[in-house]
Amino acid sequence: QSALTQPASVSGSPGQAITISCTGTSSDVGNDNDVSWYQQHPGKAPKLMIYAVSNRPSDVSNRFSGSKSGNTASLTISGLQAEDEADYYCSSYTNSISYVFGTGTKVTVL
Amino acid sequence: QVQLQESGPGLVEPSGTLSLTCGVSGASISNYWSWVRQPPGEGLEWIGQIHHSGSTSYKPSLKSRVTMSVDKSKNHFSLNLSSVTAADTAVYYCVRHGGRSFDLWGRGTLVTVSS
Repeated sequence: QSALTQPASVSGSPGQAITISCTGTSSDVGNDNDVSWYQQHPGKAPKLMIYAVSNRPSDVSNRFSGSKSGNTASLTISGLQAEDEADYYCSSYTNSISYVFGTGTKVTVL
Repeated sequence: QVQLQESGPGLVEPSGTLSLTCGVSGASISNYWSWVRQPPGEGLEWIGQIHHSGSTSYKPSLKSRVTMSVDKSKNHFSLNLSSVTAADTAVYYCVRHGGRSFDLWGRGTLVTVSS
């Protein structure tokens, strides 16, 4: 059960759009639509941003969107803002009744 | 407002057992719950889950050392991790499931394994 693969860092200027990838296997990301994304600011607990690949909780900005193709899921942040600077983790339910997280991506707003 | 609060010793000796409890306030314990940990400066790691019925599922590499339980009368659930080493030093979060995602997190508690 290896961690899902994410880029270590992604950066963008305010107002730009960035995309974070999350690559797994047919046993996790590619198995069903059970991918979620979390935002974590330093010293804080993670916060759910996207669930079931592309659904947003009611308190999350519509600048955040998710998608999936095969074994790779993606999180897009449009209209990048300073407050979006944080670590982002994907997670997937697996076909062995367990969960696996991604390696994490540090987003920097230039 | 639903809140989760982790509690337990912040220091555990090597080879000992790490024991944490997560108190659930503002909602029933009737749900799935997980424990997730994060070593200092590292990423998130799922440890395992428990249903209010008591059924469990653990990360395979930790399965031999992990036990989770739920106490419906106290509205809390617990984690025991045995034979700990320095590699188990981490912030431990208790988490509520929303379907197959984690929609509510506790603030986390740092547990250090050291003599």
